[in-house]
Amino acid sequence: GQNIDQPTEMTATEGAIVQINCTYQTSGFNGLFWYQQHAGEAPTFLSYNVLDGLEEKGRFSSFLSRSKGYSYLLLKELQMKDSASYLCAVTASGGSYIPTFGRGTSLIVHP
Amino acid sequence: KAGVTQTPRYLIKTRGQQVTLSCSPISGHRSVSWYQQTPGQGLQFLFEYFSETQRNKGNFPGRFSGRQFSNSRSEMNVSTLELGDSALYLCASRSGTGDEKLFFGSGTQLSVL
Repeated sequence: GQNIDQPTEMTATEGAIVQINCTYQTSGFNGLFWYQQHAGEAPTFLSYNVLDGLEEKGRFSSFLSRSKGYSYLLLKELQMKDSASYLCAVTASGGSYIPTFGRGTSLIVHP
Repeated sequence: KAGVTQTPRYLIKTRGQQVTLSCSPISGHRSVSWYQQTPGQGLQFLFEYFSETQRNKGNFPGRFSGRQFSNSRSEMNVSTLELGDSALYLCASRSGTGDEKLFFGSGTQLSVL
């Protein structure tokens, strides 16, 4: 089975940097996804990590350490529109590629 | 390219009734997955259909079923509704050939009274 942990809620100030952590336990690891979900809307894809290291995409970066079962999503230059839930999801080896999701981290950005 | 379309957007039912939800994937995508989202449990996987066959199944009771048509559109059915079935039901599509990102629909918000 798989177990994914991420903080329930975080708050940050507009213009600041925030790091959302995700730890996972899985019998076989394939890849890790981050999705963003605004209230009442569909989750949308942010990033995908399969190898160790940092993947940067504009204001958002995602890091993976497979040996530690750890990932983080880094959001820079926070904007009010970044207030959303951030979902960490892991796919296991074995071929099904069905992601298991964490419960999500609700990020509140205030002025 | 049109996104994933789910209908209806909102649904209110009473206990014991049944419900059918519909999902049209992105054109060319052959895999459709269904998820239940609740505040307490997060996103829980229900099942995945690929080329009209159920390819993977989560840990939900048999009251939850689905099917996929030749045009890749999918339906999900819940029979004998219970209060605990109140949730946002999300459909997601992908081409289905590897470890790919999911494209989600906006979901159907089901309330069981």
